[in-house]
Amino acid sequence: KQEVTQIPAALSVPEGENLVLNCSFTDSAIYNLQWFRQDPGKGLTSLLLIQSSQREQTSGRLNASLDKSSGRSTLYIAASQPGDSATYLCAGVNYGGSQGNLIFGKGTKLSVKP
Amino acid sequence: EPEVTQTPSHQVTQMGQEVILRCVPISNHLYFYWYRQILGQKVEFLVSFYNNEISEKSEIFDDQFSVERPDGSNFTLKIRSTKLEDSAMYFCASRERANSPLHFGNGTRLTVT
Repeated sequence: KQEVTQIPAALSVPEGENLVLNCSFTDSAIYNLQWFRQDPGKGLTSLLLIQSSQREQTSGRLNASLDKSSGRSTLYIAASQPGDSATYLCAGVNYGGSQGNLIFGKGTKLSVKP
Repeated sequence: EPEVTQTPSHQVTQMGQEVILRCVPISNHLYFYWYRQILGQKVEFLVSFYNNEISEKSEIFDDQFSVERPDGSNFTLKIRSTKLEDSAMYFCASRERANSPLHFGNGTRLTVT
């Protein structure tokens, strides 16, 4: 059964720092992987989707990579800002699974201090 | 930018009562989902819906749960007889096609007393 783990559970950094959030999964049969941000009491905002044929995706200051052989994904945030403070979730879909049946990690709570 | 909208934002109900959570997915999306997040825990898949029928459901989605798309725009989740352990944030999500990103609503916080 696929399990998704995110490390660290919480991270506090000063503004301007570059940082990396980690996501690992127990079953390398990941079809695609999506990163989300969740603000307190709010829904999930899609950040990046890495599809099965891709290894990374970039959007602005965000870059996500996926290494299926090692069962890992990373989300790189450049030049962090206080507005980046949120919980970041990664979620994957297994080969053979329904495209919408995302398996989530518990998230990394990021705090960027001004 | 189009969004998934959910109503109400917060619902309080007594144990044993029926509740209906409502969602309006993004208009050109074809795949619809319900997820839930119990406080402090992971987001969990409940059910997916495509072409007017359930395409997949999790173990959580038992006979007490049902979904409906009654009028081509709304997508509802009904819990027939709520239990205390149904208290959670319920998220509706939709996607345009099979390989496109999943877009979530802001959720309905359900509190069962």
